[in-house]
Amino acid sequence: DAKTTQPPSMDCAEGRAANLPCNHSTISGNEYVYWYRQIHSQGPQYIIHGLKNNETNEMASLIITEDRKSSTLILPHATLRDTAVYYCIVRVRSVGTASKLTFGTGTRLQVTL
Amino acid sequence: DVKVTQSSRYLVKRTGEKVFLECVQDMDHENMFWYRQDPGLGLRLIYFSYDVKMKEKGDIPEGYSVSREKKERFSLILESASTNQTSMYLCASSLKGRETQYFGPGTRLLVL
Repeated sequence: DAKTTQPPSMDCAEGRAANLPCNHSTISGNEYVYWYRQIHSQGPQYIIHGLKNNETNEMASLIITEDRKSSTLILPHATLRDTAVYYCIVRVRSVGTASKLTFGTGTRLQVTL
Repeated sequence: DVKVTQSSRYLVKRTGEKVFLECVQDMDHENMFWYRQDPGLGLRLIYFSYDVKMKEKGDIPEGYSVSREKKERFSLILESASTNQTSMYLCASSLKGRETQYFGPGTRLLVL
């Protein structure tokens, strides 16, 4: 299983871009990088995922390095509602057709005025 | 939008009680999951199911059982609740062959 390393916490001013890094140096060729976030007292929310190309959706952008050993989640204009714990996850395939997601301890992003 | 609902947001039970946590999803997903979340330990998978009446153990199945009698419903059962099962319980679902999981709001269980 590829493990991920994230900083425990980060701050970001409202309106600025939040760049959340993740290291996954043992990732294998067919493993995707997923990002979820968890706002206090709620269930995790899917944000974005990618294999090797950069990805963008309405919530965020995902930049994956060419060697795939690290990635960065970018929230282009952070708001107070983006304050949450952000999890970088490398998919681990389990038996059957269901895949287990292994959540680490994530990065606690605090967006401030 | 995918909607995953859980029967209770907060639950208080006594040691030794049998506890049922219910999860329902409305998007016809084949896969359903039960996790627990504890401070400093992240989310840990208890059980998952990839079809009706099918179940697989996750990382920490001891003390738990599950039931999947209908596709939309996945139940977690604590046969005899213990204080170390005090936790936040999260249900999730996903489409067969797709990795994205959609989570419910969670049930915070306190066992006294």
